[in-house]
Amino acid sequence: DIQMTQSPSSLSASVGDRVTITCRASRGVMNYLAWFQQKPGKAPKSLIYAASSLQSGVPSRFSGSGSGTDFTLTISSLQPEDFATYYCQHYKTFPITFGQGTRLEIK
Amino acid sequence: EAQLVESGGGLVQPGGSLRLSCAASGFTFSSYWTSWVRQAPGKGLEWVASIKEDGSEKSYVDPVKGRFTISRDNAENSLYLQMDSLRAEDTAVYYCARGNDFSIWGQGTMVTVSS
Repeated sequence: DIQMTQSPSSLSASVGDRVTITCRASRGVMNYLAWFQQKPGKAPKSLIYAASSLQSGVPSRFSGSGSGTDFTLTISSLQPEDFATYYCQHYKTFPITFGQGTRLEIK
Repeated sequence: EAQLVESGGGLVQPGGSLRLSCAASGFTFSSYWTSWVRQAPGKGLEWVASIKEDGSEKSYVDPVKGRFTISRDNAENSLYLQMDSLRAEDTAVYYCARGNDFSIWGQGTMVTVSS
């Protein structure tokens, strides 16, 4: 199975900050990588697919990059509604696996 | 608007069974792989199972193989998860999700396995 490891596990930041979350795959997943945002008590929301493609309706302050084993999610200027937990996921092969999550908190 | 709505969750005793449903609307359901993902209380996301557009291929995470069955009815725009021999560790919110990229998610349905 391909293991997905996110770092950091938690992060404190302020409104307006630029934030980067990294995700590493235990072996190459090409660009079959997605990012999700989840707020407490809510379903996950898709942000990025194919490593760098923005889902329709997602603000342009979110961006993704990477290929192979190393990926990043960047939020260029944090907004109050961005404080949430973020997950990466590969979908190259079964079993599909998720990272453990990164909790983004207000400083 | 594309939408997925889960139903069928509840409280069940260990060893019992439950059938979850996911109703799709606002898009051509038969054109997408569809999946189930679960989230145990306070934990992260775990992929459970996926089914191809026409139902000809299915895949499961190891802990549910032989106990859970994913199926779909494209005429009814519906996805199902038959869960048998339920265990305490199956307690979670179960979500359905659309496509290889999990672009659309339902709101989830809670399954509690407890005596």
